[in-house]
Amino acid sequence: QKEVEQNSGPLSVPEGAIASLNCTYSDRGSQSFFWYRQYSGKSPELIMSIYSNGDKEDGRFTAQLNKASQYVSLLIRDSQPSDSATYLCAVNYGGSQGNLIFGKGTKLSVKP
Amino acid sequence: GAVVSQHPSWVICKSGTSVKIECRSLDFQATTMFWYRQFPKQSLMLMATSNEGSKATYEQGVEKDKFLINHASLTLSTLTVTSAHPEDSSFYICSAHTGFSSDTQYFGPGTRLTVL
Repeated sequence: QKEVEQNSGPLSVPEGAIASLNCTYSDRGSQSFFWYRQYSGKSPELIMSIYSNGDKEDGRFTAQLNKASQYVSLLIRDSQPSDSATYLCAVNYGGSQGNLIFGKGTKLSVKP
Repeated sequence: GAVVSQHPSWVICKSGTSVKIECRSLDFQATTMFWYRQFPKQSLMLMATSNEGSKATYEQGVEKDKFLINHASLTLSTLTVTSAHPEDSSFYICSAHTGFSSDTQYFGPGTRLTVL
């Protein structure tokens, strides 16, 4: 059973702090990794994708991938109240159709 | 780029009726589209994978005769909930990816279905 695990939270951080979101996955055959943000009542929106070990930065967001540890994380610098949402980690295990396995999501709350 | 639309955004129907939801890729051709369902405070659950010109692949536990999927063109997939019941009330979301060279999925805005 291929699984993606996330701490459900809620994770609460003060405004301006760094929020760190973590995700582990079960299958070493995984090829691509994604972070989505989902506001309440809305559909997920893509934040970042990462395919290689190491860090990938995009603005205030940094994704980190460690395939040896089967671990992917998302750092949000200078957190803002507007970042309050549920963050979904998704993993492509290499299926021919690109199916993603989603974690249950971590709810982030940024306090002003 | 990579915009996906859904219609309708919300629908209320009586128990026993059928509801059709459309998913369109607006600025790209989607060889594969995915249909998800999300109940309140729960994560996305993949219902089926839809490929243009072929039968959809349903996830275990999803009734293919109840959730009819048609992917007639590279920009349109439809999900029909047949004989809807209150337990089918949920948030239905489609996604699409651009094809062989990309596995990034772009999500539509979702359709909230309420069955009375």
